[in-house]
Amino acid sequence: AQKVTQAQTEISVVEKEDVTLDCVYETRDTTYYLFWYKQPPSGELVFLIRRNSFDEQNEISGRYSWNFQKSTSSFNFTITASQVVDSAVYFCALSEANSGNTPLVFGKGTRLSVIA
Amino acid sequence: DGGITQSPKYLFRKEGQNVTLSCEQNLNHDAMYWYRQDPGQGLRLIYYSQIVNDFQKGDIAEGYSVSREKKESFPLTVTSAQKNPTAFYLCASSIFPGLRNTEAFFGQGTRLTVV
Repeated sequence: AQKVTQAQTEISVVEKEDVTLDCVYETRDTTYYLFWYKQPPSGELVFLIRRNSFDEQNEISGRYSWNFQKSTSSFNFTITASQVVDSAVYFCALSEANSGNTPLVFGKGTRLSVIA
Repeated sequence: DGGITQSPKYLFRKEGQNVTLSCEQNLNHDAMYWYRQDPGQGLRLIYYSQIVNDFQKGDIAEGYSVSREKKESFPLTVTSAQKNPTAFYLCASSIFPGLRNTEAFFGQGTRLTVV
């Protein structure tokens, strides 16, 4: 069965610090997709990134970067030079795809607080 | 503007009543989903639908019902059988799950409180 674990429940950092949010997943499928979403106080989930299981290239988008390692079943998310606007709950999610894509399974989320 | 609209934003229900949460999308997406969010629990799947007139139970379907009569609409009814309905409900949609672009887009949520 698929499972996503975000061990960090809450993280607090001071503005301009770098912060890494951990995500570990479990799946028996060889084809799957991993996602990160941001949930600001307004409640709506905002899509950040999708990564498929065949693409282990790390990705950078501005201050955001993602490190995908199949060997450790991890898909970690780093924010460089954090800002107050980064304060939110961040969710990692998984969709299995061997037999058609399954609905997203989410981790419990990590609440990030960036203090000015 | 294209997107997903959930209504109402806040909903209060008396114990023993059924209530229906609305979810409409104009993204021409085939698949739609309902998730429930409780503090510290992440998002849990209630029901999903990949095509019109068909839907599947998720992990916590007991006490809920859905319909999918139109592609753009996927209402969720919280019945009196749901023992602890107070939660934040999120609706989402995605293009047909068989394609590569499988990210889901979410509405702004409905916060349901039992009074």
